[in-house]
Amino acid sequence: ELKVEQNPLFLSMQEGKNYTIYCNYSTTSDRLYWYRQDPGKSLESLFVLLSNGAVKQEGRLMASLDTKARLSTLHITAAVHDLSATYFCAPNLITQGGSEKLVFGKGTKLTVNP
Amino acid sequence: KAGVTQTPRYLIKTRGQQVTLSCSPISGHRSVSWYQQTPGQGLQFLFEYFSETQRNKGNFPGRFSGRQFSNSRSEMNVSTLELGDSALYLCASSHWTDQETQYFGPGTRLLVL
Repeated sequence: ELKVEQNPLFLSMQEGKNYTIYCNYSTTSDRLYWYRQDPGKSLESLFVLLSNGAVKQEGRLMASLDTKARLSTLHITAAVHDLSATYFCAPNLITQGGSEKLVFGKGTKLTVNP
Repeated sequence: KAGVTQTPRYLIKTRGQQVTLSCSPISGHRSVSWYQQTPGQGLQFLFEYFSETQRNKGNFPGRFSGRQFSNSRSEMNVSTLELGDSALYLCASSHWTDQETQYFGPGTRLLVL
């Protein structure tokens, strides 16, 4: 069974600071997704990481994947208030029939303070 | 392109009733997955459909069922509702073989009284 651990679960940052969210998972996975969720809203796709060593950047967010360590990171650079949200990582499990199931971490609730 | 749509957006039901939720995937996407989100259990996989076939099912009781139509639209049904079924139900569509992400709809918020 694939288990996913995110940390920290709560993160309070000052604007302009940098920080990293960690996502560890327990078994081999084909790919890993990062999503953002604002309160009362659905999940917004941020990144999909497909291979070992993959790094993707969008604005102040950068995600990386180390499949050997079963670790993904989401790095926040010079945080701004608009980044306040809950961030989820989700490695996937693929069945023999080709079905993909995402296994989500508990999420990291990020609050960026002025 | 138009995103994933879900109807209804909000529902209030009472215990013992049944409910049907609908999901229309992004045009061209043939895979539709359903997830339940609750404060206590987080995001949990319910099932996945591809070309009208259920290919994968999560660890939920048989009261939770679904189907997919030939146009890839999907419905999920929950019978004999329980208070614990109150949740946000999210539908996602994908064409993952093209290395795209899974795109989530806005969700249906179900409250069981």
